[in-house]
Amino acid sequence: DIQMTQSPSSLSASVGDRVTITCQARQDINNNLNWYQQKPGKAPKLLIYDASNLETGVPSRFSGSGSGTDFTFTISSLQPEDIATYYCQQFDNFVVTFGQGTRLEIK
Amino acid sequence: EVQLVESGGGLVQPGRSLRLSCAASGFTFADYAMHWVRQAPGKGLEWVSGISWNGGSIGYAVSVKGRFTISRNNAKNSLYLQMNNLRAEDAAFYYCAKDRYFDLNRGPNDHWGRGTLVTVSS
Repeated sequence: DIQMTQSPSSLSASVGDRVTITCQARQDINNNLNWYQQKPGKAPKLLIYDASNLETGVPSRFSGSGSGTDFTFTISSLQPEDIATYYCQQFDNFVVTFGQGTRLEIK
Repeated sequence: EVQLVESGGGLVQPGRSLRLSCAASGFTFADYAMHWVRQAPGKGLEWVSGISWNGGSIGYAVSVKGRFTISRNNAKNSLYLQMNNLRAEDAAFYYCAKDRYFDLNRGPNDHWGRGTLVTVSS
């Protein structure tokens, strides 16, 4: 299985800040990397797919980049409603792996 | 509107079995791969298993391989997870998730159910 290392595990930022989360794969996964947002008590919500494609209806302040083994998720200007836990996810050879998650809080 | 409704969770003793179901509506179920993802209370997401559109390709997490079996009935728009020899560490919310494509090798999961809670305790 391909292990995904996501960092940081938690993050505190102010409204309006630029926030960055990284995810590293142990081996090349091309651009098969997705990002999800999960709010407490809710199911995960897809934000970014194929590393950099914004899911329909998702605000443009969310973005993703990277390929191969190193990926980045960015919120360009943090909003109060962005408080959640964020996960990366990869698909490879009929096995799926999630990163450990990043808990985002407002400072 | 895509809807995924899980059922079948509950309290079960260690070593016993449980079968989860996911009823799908609002899309052509037979055209898409489907997945089970679980989350222990206060913990992160863990992929459990996935099945391609026709059941021809199936994958399992190492933690459940040999104990869990995923299946689907396209005529009934339903996904299943048979869980045998349950352990305390299997306790979690189990989510049914739709894939964007028909096969298992790409993702993403673009729609999720609300989950069903499985508790394993004597």
